[in-house]
Amino acid sequence: EAQVTQNPRYLITVTGKKLTVTCSQNMNHEYMSWYRQDPGLGLRQIYYSMNVEVTDKGDVPEGYKVSRKEKRNFPLILESPSPNQTSLYFCASSLRSGLAQVFGSGTQLSVL
Amino acid sequence: AQSVTQPDIHITVSEGASLELRCNYSYGATPYLFWYVQSPGQGLQLLLKYFSGDTLVQGIKGFEAEFKRSQSSFNLRKPSVHWSDAAEYFCAVGVSNFGNEKLTFGTGTRLTIIP
Repeated sequence: EAQVTQNPRYLITVTGKKLTVTCSQNMNHEYMSWYRQDPGLGLRQIYYSMNVEVTDKGDVPEGYKVSRKEKRNFPLILESPSPNQTSLYFCASSLRSGLAQVFGSGTQLSVL
Repeated sequence: AQSVTQPDIHITVSEGASLELRCNYSYGATPYLFWYVQSPGQGLQLLLKYFSGDTLVQGIKGFEAEFKRSQSSFNLRKPSVHWSDAAEYFCAVGVSNFGNEKLTFGTGTRLTIIP
């Protein structure tokens, strides 16, 4: 089944403890991105990648890192999480551009 | 800069009644427009998209949307809603920004269905 898989689905952590949220797609998509969803703000793009080893900032990149060493994987790294990064995170991918993206099921992150 | 406005935060509709969710966008060029649905605890699923051509677009689950350039709108409609349509709906505009073609989302409309 074609899909975007994120792990974990739920994560509770403490301020300053580094964490990684994994994202993998099995559709051979070139474009991948990360969003955060906050009440009243909709989804905002954090980072995107147009292909392997090509990443760039989205609208809200502060406090996040990404890497794209393989086409299928696009992990999101929080080096020193803070409470304002408590949010619902989505990974998404699409064939080439950032349009018509396929979304993962989300990761609910709570930073205490 | 591009933006998307969904003026209704929450809508309640009776099962079997018709539905219209509003979406207005602001973008200088011809936009790519999308509607996504998010069921509780789920990711976003693409309902339909408009790139060009016929301004009335058919999607999955019986939804349709109409692009009206003069009104900068892309409203989502369904003639008869089912209880399973209860979800949050997001309108999005696809833009090209320094080589990054990305989606800018509205803030969403939560749909409640009553028996």
